[in-house]
Amino acid sequence: QVQLVQSGAEVKKPGASVKVSCKASGYTFTRYHMHWVRQAPGQGPEWMGQINPSGDRTDYAQKFQGRITMTRDTSTSTAYMELSSLRPEDTAVYFCGRDSGKYGAENWGQGTLVTVSS
Amino acid sequence: QTVVTQEPSFSVSPGGTVTLTCGLSSGSVSTTNYPSWYQQTPGQAPRTLIYSTNTRSSGVPDRFSGSILGIKAALTITGAQADDESDYYCALYMGSGIYVFGTGTKVTVL
Repeated sequence: QVQLVQSGAEVKKPGASVKVSCKASGYTFTRYHMHWVRQAPGQGPEWMGQINPSGDRTDYAQKFQGRITMTRDTSTSTAYMELSSLRPEDTAVYFCGRDSGKYGAENWGQGTLVTVSS
Repeated sequence: QTVVTQEPSFSVSPGGTVTLTCGLSSGSVSTTNYPSWYQQTPGQAPRTLIYSTNTRSSGVPDRFSGSILGIKAALTITGAQADDESDYYCALYMGSGIYVFGTGTKVTVL
């Protein structure tokens, strides 16, 4: 079955960067887009972007343009999301989500809490 | 900037039917927006219910169904159960690889 296992919680200072990993198993990694979504405390989910199966195309929400980078390593079936210039309002749980193959994420990682605090 | 709108809250009786909608601040929703629907508890991973307008995700009971109603996407819960009480979010594909989540609907079963 599809499994997405994310890296552990992170605490970062304002201005720093964070890189969250998402290790996939149970399916052919190179056939599906991977989405990244975050949920800040008390708020709904927010789509951040996606990376295509081969890793040569990314689409980012305008809000994150310039400080987000999504990559994937096909040799280890792992996707990465790096967010730079962190601010306290980036404190959230970050989720990776495998695309359904027909638009929209279907399977989800367990989430990674990123706390940004001085 | 386009906003994806949902009703803030809905109440449904056990065994009853409720239809949640997902619209655009400007324009109409169609199948080319590939609406998807998620059930979520804050801090936990979303549970995918529906993708591509009306395709149920694996393991989702058939009392959850998706459709286009007029100019909006819709999620209908038929025969509501207590554990359906949750927050529900839609997401729309806006083109050029971009998706946007809706504002969310809190469903209460009582």
